[in-house]
Amino acid sequence: AQSVAQPEDQVNVAEGNPLTVKCTYSVSGNPYLFWYVQYPNRGLQFLLKYITGDNLVKGSYGFEAEFNKSQTSFHLKKPSALVSDSALYFCAVRPWGSGTYKYIFGTGTRLKVLA
Amino acid sequence: GAGVSQSPSNKVTEKGKDVELRCDPISGHTALYWYRQRLGQGLEFLIYFQGNSAPDKSGLPSDRFSAERTGESVSTLTIQRTQQEDSAVYLCASSLSGTGLGGNQPQHFGDGTRLSIL
Repeated sequence: AQSVAQPEDQVNVAEGNPLTVKCTYSVSGNPYLFWYVQYPNRGLQFLLKYITGDNLVKGSYGFEAEFNKSQTSFHLKKPSALVSDSALYFCAVRPWGSGTYKYIFGTGTRLKVLA
Repeated sequence: GAGVSQSPSNKVTEKGKDVELRCDPISGHTALYWYRQRLGQGLEFLIYFQGNSAPDKSGLPSDRFSAERTGESVSTLTIQRTQQEDSAVYLCASSLSGTGLGGNQPQHFGDGTRLSIL
């Protein structure tokens, strides 16, 4: 079965410290990978995506993510966290070439950046 | 506006009533998705529209749920005979294309409709 796992329900980090939000996936075919952020009472906002090419992709607000094919992971990172980064983060995958047009979302990780 | 618009933003109704939720996608976006997000949970796929093709309804949880979209414009999600377990935020998203290489396009989400069934 195709799935996305975000193993941590919540991640706490001090402001100014680096942050990592983990995501692993299991899909047939090559994956398109995405990260989204959700602020309270809002929809999801696109942060970044991996399609092909460089394993390190850079996105909005200073976030980046590293695609690791052997570990089937796509962890979200930021070198220096801000209090305003506190939000709910979702990893999503769309298996390319499998005939499905669905995006599979993880269950989300709540990031709390402490001042 | 430039983004995906959903209405109403909040809906409170009594159990057993029908509700209709509306989504205005970004102009030119051929793909449209509906999701359900229960409190504290992830996104549950409901239905997908791509242009004039037959929709993928595989995520609809019961025959009380239905959705329509005319061409590449507005979509409505209808829930008949609402139950308390239907209480959730219903999110709509659109993208440039859902097919082939277009599948690398990110989805643009509306702010959702918060549905509460009393």
